[in-house]
Amino acid sequence: GAVVSQHPSRVICKSGTSVKIECRSLDFQATTMFWYRQFPKKSLMLMATSNEGSKATYEQGVEKDKFLINHASLTLSTLTVTSAHPEDSSFYICSASHPGQGADTQYFGPGTRLTVL
Amino acid sequence: GENVEQHPSTLSVQEGDSAVIKCTYSDSASNYFPWYKQELGKGPQLIIDIRSNVGEKKDQRIAVTLNKTAKHFSLHITETQPEDSAVYFCAASINNDMRFGAGTRLTVKP
Repeated sequence: GAVVSQHPSRVICKSGTSVKIECRSLDFQATTMFWYRQFPKKSLMLMATSNEGSKATYEQGVEKDKFLINHASLTLSTLTVTSAHPEDSSFYICSASHPGQGADTQYFGPGTRLTVL
Repeated sequence: GENVEQHPSTLSVQEGDSAVIKCTYSDSASNYFPWYKQELGKGPQLIIDIRSNVGEKKDQRIAVTLNKTAKHFSLHITETQPEDSAVYFCAASINNDMRFGAGTRLTVKP
């Protein structure tokens, strides 16, 4: 299998606080993980690519100091939304690259719905 | 950069009919083309994929075709069922740089 989990599934926080989202590959080791953001009824927008043990690569327009990504192990990547504001409310989805299933194959987590009040 | 266009944005079919979703891509270097199904409030689920050295791939009721010359690929679902109702995304990728189409909302009417 190729299972990716995310925690929490939904979170509500106050403006100005920080929120951490975890992404885990449960049955495979992922050298590369990805973080996407999805607005209602819209497509997935890549935020950043993270490789285990190195700094994440952020897409143009994504603030790296606001969206902190850590990929400390081959099965865990975290996204921390710092000083969250209402405009950060969104559906955040991670994916993990499965090296055993061919180049570029990505399996997605179930997503985390963030609501900032 | 890569640009992926997907059509139609919405598609409604009767149960048992076929559904076809089409995508085009701009970067001829893209070599991996997955299709994802996303149900409401959930993450995308990989349903089928194709690589640039293959023209067609089938998995039960689902098939994907790729025309590298024209830079377009299509998803075909036969004998549709109500549980096929979801949003479907195509994507084109090279070196893990994956770009998605805008999505197609498929509704299968019983």
